[in-house]
Amino acid sequence: EPEVTQTPSHQVTQMGQEVILRCVPISNHLYFYWYRQILGQKVEFLVSFYNNEISEKSEIFDDQFSVERPDGSNFTLKIRSTKLEDSAMYFCASRRGLDNEQYFGPGTRLTVT
Amino acid sequence: AQSVTQLGSHVSVSEGALVLLRCNYSSSVPPYLFWYVQYPNQGLQLLLKYTTGATLVKGINGFEAEFKKSETSFHLTKPSAHMSDAAEYFCAVTSSGAGSYQLTFGKGTKLSVIP
Repeated sequence: EPEVTQTPSHQVTQMGQEVILRCVPISNHLYFYWYRQILGQKVEFLVSFYNNEISEKSEIFDDQFSVERPDGSNFTLKIRSTKLEDSAMYFCASRRGLDNEQYFGPGTRLTVT
Repeated sequence: AQSVTQLGSHVSVSEGALVLLRCNYSSSVPPYLFWYVQYPNQGLQLLLKYTTGATLVKGINGFEAEFKKSETSFHLTKPSAHMSDAAEYFCAVTSSGAGSYQLTFGKGTKLSVIP
């Protein structure tokens, strides 16, 4: 069964460093999402991406964040200058477009020290 | 705007007992509703969903949920809890009013099953 994959599973970085989180959505899906879950809190929407551009973004998704689909298979989330409060689990999800079901990847745990 | 309220951040049941996890939503347009389960250190797995049609939906692992528009609720139930059901459960809503159908999640309910 096709699944969304994410790499790395865990990333530790120092404050101020740039990080890139990678996702490979399901191959025939058209809509892509990033969510984050700070430890002990609810899952929050960050951004959605369709047709090679951002379609929606939340207030959390400020200028420090960017997304890209560089090669037709990968979908990346970049944080330019990480802060301590960026420590969270980041989930990628994809949706085919014919229904509203999103398929989630296993997540990348980002720890900023 | 959409929102989800899950009553009870932590629910404990005995093995074999009924599981009832509560979810109420707010949406200005017809909602699509989902329940996801998260096991420790894992991602989100879809349990079941309501989009249109039958209001009682069945999911994996014996779970089901009923969409009640008049009560703006989508409670999750399972007749008999199993030890393997111990996990965190998230209710989520989206709709055509959400732009790209992004999900709004509740705060989650951690289910403990007592042997």
